[in-house]
Amino acid sequence: QLQLQESGPGLVKPSEILSLTCSVSGGSINRSDYYWGWIRQPPGKGLVWIASIYYSGNSYYDPSLRSRATISLDTSKNQFSLKLNSVTAADTAIYYCVRSWGCGGDCYSDYWGQGTLVTVSS
Amino acid sequence: QSALTQPASVSGSPGQSITISCTGTSSDIGGFNFVSWYQRHPGKAPKLIIYDVSNRPSGVSNRFSGSKSANTASLTISGLQAEDEADYFCSSFTSSSNVAFGGGTKLTVL
Repeated sequence: QLQLQESGPGLVKPSEILSLTCSVSGGSINRSDYYWGWIRQPPGKGLVWIASIYYSGNSYYDPSLRSRATISLDTSKNQFSLKLNSVTAADTAIYYCVRSWGCGGDCYSDYWGQGTLVTVSS
Repeated sequence: QSALTQPASVSGSPGQSITISCTGTSSDIGGFNFVSWYQRHPGKAPKLIIYDVSNRPSGVSNRFSGSKSANTASLTISGLQAEDEADYFCSSFTSSSNVAFGGGTKLTVL
């Protein structure tokens, strides 16, 4: 059974870098069938897709976050990561890592991590 | 503000059917048949229950069904059960080549 687990600091100071890692077990991320990505949910709001990456390394970002976000793969560790620069309180959210497929890309997320709350505060 | 609009809450009694709407535009729901729905119980990860507008992943109850008309997608749950009480989110592929989500609907089983 595939499992995804987010890890990273739960508290980040404004203007600093938010860094999260998703460890994948029960299957390899180095395959062509799926995309690996990040989705977040700010308090009291809906889900927001952030970014995804293909096994080849091709990455895709939400336009509003493209300038601040970087997603990467580490196939040797079966992990992928998200870095978000210059964070503000608006980046406070539960962050989920996901496996996605469909519509020729990453429309549907069938495996999710449990989510990790990241709070941006001084 | 979420890109797709869902009612904040719906409710129903056991055995009844309920429908949750998800309204977008011609740039998302109306333009593509790539609509999905997720169920999330408190403290749990979301679960994919509908994809490609009306398809169910293996293992998802046939009490869940999806449909679409113009710019609005709908999730119908028939034979409501206590275990269906959860938050439900819709999503759609968009003309910007990304995925938009709804704000979520809290389903209460009375």
